[in-house]
Amino acid sequence: GQSLEQPSEVTAVEGAIVQINCTYQTSGFYGLSWYQQHDGGAPTFLSYNGLDGLEETGRFSSFLSRSDSYGYLLLQELQMKDSASYFCAFGGSARQLTFGSGTQLTVLP
Amino acid sequence: DADVTQTPRNRITKTGKRIMLECSQTKGHDRMYWYRQDPGLGLRLIYYSFDVKDINKGEISDGYSVSRQAQAKFSLSLESAIPNQTALYFCATSDAGFEGTDTQYFGPGTRLTVL
Repeated sequence: GQSLEQPSEVTAVEGAIVQINCTYQTSGFYGLSWYQQHDGGAPTFLSYNGLDGLEETGRFSSFLSRSDSYGYLLLQELQMKDSASYFCAFGGSARQLTFGSGTQLTVLP
Repeated sequence: DADVTQTPRNRITKTGKRIMLECSQTKGHDRMYWYRQDPGLGLRLIYYSFDVKDINKGEISDGYSVSRQAQAKFSLSLESAIPNQTALYFCATSDAGFEGTDTQYFGPGTRLTVL
């Protein structure tokens, strides 16, 4: 079957670095995406990894290891506005994205 | 103006009623999706459409139907609403791309409550 696992909650302080891990299981795999959602608002795209390695976009980076079926989202210089839910999602053989259950990040002052 | 709009934004209805949620987009994308979000369960795909004549069931299509009236419009219907369909519903669009890799753009969501 297809599944993703990510921690349900992560807490960190302002200015710190936090890593949100995601492991997946699927028969077909075309890449790992990350989305951010604030308080039930519209999810917004953050990052995509189609190949192994690190992708950097400002304070956010995302990593993928296909051999380990593992990826992570790294958030640096945390700000209060980064408090949100973060979802990993993979594109598989079924022409659709499958989302994880999300990680609620709380940034403390 | 928003690229992806959903109407209504909030709806309270009773068990057994027929409900239609509408989605419109001005991004010119061919692909449109309907998701459902429940607390702790993330986003689950209900239906998706890659063009007006290509409509497919997602993970949780039972109890739902869809209509792709035009490239820009994709409606979700609950023929006979039940309480466990109470959820936050999102419409999304994406441009054509290699399977599963295209960025999806989400609407603001419709909060549906079935009493």
